[in-house]
Amino acid sequence: GAGVSQSPSNKVTEKGKDVELRCDPISGHTALYWYRQSLGQGLEFLIYFQGNSAPDKSGLPSDRFSAERTGGSVSTLTIQRTQQEDSAVYLCASSSVGVMNTEAFFGQGTRLTVV
Amino acid sequence: AQSVAQPEDQVNVAEGNPLTVKCTYSVSGNPYLFWYVQYPNRGLQFLLKYITGDNLVKGSYGFEAEFNKSQTSFHLKKPSALVSDSALYFCAVRDQAGTALIFGKGTTLSVSS
Repeated sequence: GAGVSQSPSNKVTEKGKDVELRCDPISGHTALYWYRQSLGQGLEFLIYFQGNSAPDKSGLPSDRFSAERTGGSVSTLTIQRTQQEDSAVYLCASSSVGVMNTEAFFGQGTRLTVV
Repeated sequence: AQSVAQPEDQVNVAEGNPLTVKCTYSVSGNPYLFWYVQYPNRGLQFLLKYITGDNLVKGSYGFEAEFNKSQTSFHLKKPSALVSDSALYFCAVRDQAGTALIFGKGTTLSVSS
């Protein structure tokens, strides 16, 4: 696609429910990132996929968070048993492998509200 | 692990004056460095990057940044600020081994008319 696509754009869920957030990266981009941005805060790194390598999960805040990337393209971030502190904007980004094309391109994000 | 520090939460400048938004980094080996901008209710936009070569890199909207290896800094600069430059600016770093892209906490730039 022309850009990174994220869905849904907004999600309101009840505390304790599971949610799935989807990211469709730019075609051909082998690197994919998930970040979390809380109100007025910076970008918190969550997880990084690069090609067929094992993902870097070092940023996931708890075992309630997990992510998959199927077929090296679409990724899903799953949050189980959501808590109010999970409320944030979840941003996905993708990038190419070439040294000169290594900047990441971001989607518009999914705003998650846990009530 | 790599990290980025943006020591100023907010920078205030008058329109027409030069601006500097500071960034220092820590990374194993040689860094790839980036600046992004986030306008209110909009996504992150790439501004510029340092990969190799000239220490002074030029990017979008008249912004530039200077890579200083000895000071491990990558400050964002613009000779003459515009009110429309008011936004949230993020510095980011990754190492050349292909690790994750790590962002600073962001600096809010406010340009007054």
